[in-house]
Amino acid sequence: DGGITQSPKYLFRKEGQNVTLSCEQNLNHDAMYWYRQDPGQGLRLIYYSQIVNDFQKGDIAEGYSVSREKKESFPLTVTSAQKNPTAFYLCASSVTGASNQPQHFGDGTRLSIL
Amino acid sequence: LAKTTQPISMDSYEGQEVNITCSHNNIATNDYITWYQQFPSQGPRFIIQGYKTKVTNEVASLFIPADRKSSTLSLPRVSLSDTAVYYCLFSGAGSYQLTFGKGTKLSVIP
Repeated sequence: DGGITQSPKYLFRKEGQNVTLSCEQNLNHDAMYWYRQDPGQGLRLIYYSQIVNDFQKGDIAEGYSVSREKKESFPLTVTSAQKNPTAFYLCASSVTGASNQPQHFGDGTRLSIL
Repeated sequence: LAKTTQPISMDSYEGQEVNITCSHNNIATNDYITWYQQFPSQGPRFIIQGYKTKVTNEVASLFIPADRKSSTLSLPRVSLSDTAVYYCLFSGAGSYQLTFGKGTKLSVIP
């Protein structure tokens, strides 16, 4: 079945460490997105990529980095500069980057600080 | 950023029709209105999208008045499995970003 796979489902990070969250899609979508969700809140956009080898900052990009070397992959690195990284991270994709295109989401990675 | 306003929560009994209204006063001419559903610890799932008047699919209906400053998601005969958070979204003109608010938490009661 086509879809978006995020791994791992749960991730723990020590203070000062960088961690990378994986996101893979086999939907042949051009655009991919990373969101952060805090308890009881909506989603906030971290980074998005409309096409391979291109990405743009979203509303809360500080302390995060991404790469888009392959169409199907959009990994997110949470760096030590992100002071409050504990959250639920969601990856999504859409056919194109136009905002009227429905986005397909993975089931998320929950990151916690040890 | 584009902003929507929805009720924070709603309760409904099983088998009833549920209507969730969203206001979006600053919607632009080219914007579409989209609704998503999210269960705990899962990613949001696309439900329905519309531009004007009425749209219906196998899951829900979407009603959009002529001025497009609000929209209503209608869920017919809800069941316990419809308990979730429902988000109303639209994009800013020329934007490639979606803005999610806090959504409406729907609780379906037996």
